[in-house]
Amino acid sequence: EAEVAQSPRYKITEKSQAVAFWCDPISGHATLYWYRQILGQGPELLVQFQDESVVDDSQLPKDRFSAERLKGVDSTLKIQPAELGDSAMYLCASSLDGSYEQYFGPGTRLTVT
Amino acid sequence: GQNIDQPTEMTATEGAIVQINCTYQTSGFNGLFWYQQHAGEAPTFLSYNVLDGLEEKGRFSSFLSRSKGYSYLLLKELQMKDSASYLCAVMDSNYQLIWGAGTKLIIKP
Repeated sequence: EAEVAQSPRYKITEKSQAVAFWCDPISGHATLYWYRQILGQGPELLVQFQDESVVDDSQLPKDRFSAERLKGVDSTLKIQPAELGDSAMYLCASSLDGSYEQYFGPGTRLTVT
Repeated sequence: GQNIDQPTEMTATEGAIVQINCTYQTSGFNGLFWYQQHAGEAPTFLSYNVLDGLEEKGRFSSFLSRSKGYSYLLLKELQMKDSASYLCAVMDSNYQLIWGAGTKLIIKP
C-alpha cells in the first residue's frame, strides 16, 4: 500500500540552528500539506501545495519558515533559526485531485533545546 | 471566528459503546472528517460526512446534523486498540480543514 514518506522521524536541535524536513507524497497526489501539531492540540496547516505552486501559506511564519516543492513531487520544509516554541510534530499529508481525504505521513518530531 | 469543540478526554470499558461529540462553528461547510491518532503516530482517516445522517462503517459510525453544527463518532464493541485520540475536522468554504484539539479515549479492561 502506498504511503507518504517523511524523514527524519526524530530531530533534536539547538535553538538558532537550521533544520529541514523532507516529505515524499503518495505517487500521483498533486496536493501536499505541511502541518504542525503541538502535543494535545489538533494539526495546524502551515502550507498547502498544488503541484509546485503554493495554494495557502497564510499560517506559515515566513520570517523563519520556508517550504518548497520544486518539481511538484517531494517537498522540503525548513526552519531557520529554530526557536524553543517550534518543538512539535511536523506532519506531511497528500491527497488526490478531486478528493478531500488526506493521507498522512508518520511525521517528524522536532525537539528544540 | 472558527471553532471546533470536542471533549478533551473520555474513558470507556472494553466491549462497550462510546459516543464522541463534536460541535462546530465555521465559515462555510464542505464536510466533516473524523481521524484516529494513536500516540506518537500520524492521523488516519475514519470517516467523511457531508450530508445529514448516519454513516456506518464496521464498528465505527459517524453522524452529522448541519443545522445543529453537530457530529458524533460512535464506536461499538470497544477494543483495547481503540485507545487513541479522535480528531474532528471541518472543511470550510475555502476547502481548508479546521481541526479540533482531539478527544483522548482511554479504554479500560
